[in-house]
Amino acid sequence: QVQLVQSGAEVKKPGASVKVSCKASGYTFTSYAIHWVRQAPGQGLEWMGWIHTGNGNTKYSQRFQGRVTITRDTSASTAYMDLSSLGSEDTAVYYCAREFNCNYEYWGQGTLVTVSS
Amino acid sequence: QSALTQPRSVSGSPGQSVTISCTGTSSDVGGYNYVSWYQQHPGKAPKLMIYDVNKRPSGVPDRFSGSKSGNTASLTISGLQAEDEADYYCCSYAGSYTLVFGGGTKLTVL
Repeated sequence: QVQLVQSGAEVKKPGASVKVSCKASGYTFTSYAIHWVRQAPGQGLEWMGWIHTGNGNTKYSQRFQGRVTITRDTSASTAYMDLSSLGSEDTAVYYCAREFNCNYEYWGQGTLVTVSS
Repeated sequence: QSALTQPRSVSGSPGQSVTISCTGTSSDVGGYNYVSWYQQHPGKAPKLMIYDVNKRPSGVPDRFSGSKSGNTASLTISGLQAEDEADYYCCSYAGSYTLVFGGGTKLTVL
């Protein structure tokens, strides 16, 4: 069965970077894009960007342009989301999701990133 | 991109129907038939309920239906049940390989 398993919770200081992983199983990794979506406490879902797992091309939300980098390791069937220059407003649960025709049928369990001094 | 506009909350009694709207622009909702809806219970990952405006993934009850008119998409839940109480989010393709979510709607089953 399709599974996306994310890395564990992180606590970071302001100004630091965080890298969250998303390991896929149960399907051919390079057949579907992986998107990243975040959700601040008590807030809604926010689209961050995505990676074409086949060729590595990426697209980011303008809101995160310059601060976010999404990569993948096809040999490990894993996608990564790196967010830099963290501020308190980046405290959120970060989700990866498998995308097909702009739909997310499979999601990771979420990774809580807490930014605190 | 600006978030799509959803009502902050809606409510209904068991057995009734409710409709949640999702308003965008001609650059997102109105421009493409790539609108999806997600249900999210507290502490859980979102679940796909509707895709391509009005299609249901297997396993989603036919009480859930979607539609679109112009720049506004809608999710209708008929025969409300207690377990439908959750947050609901719309999502649309917004061109140039980007997507945008709505702000979310809290559904309360009275």
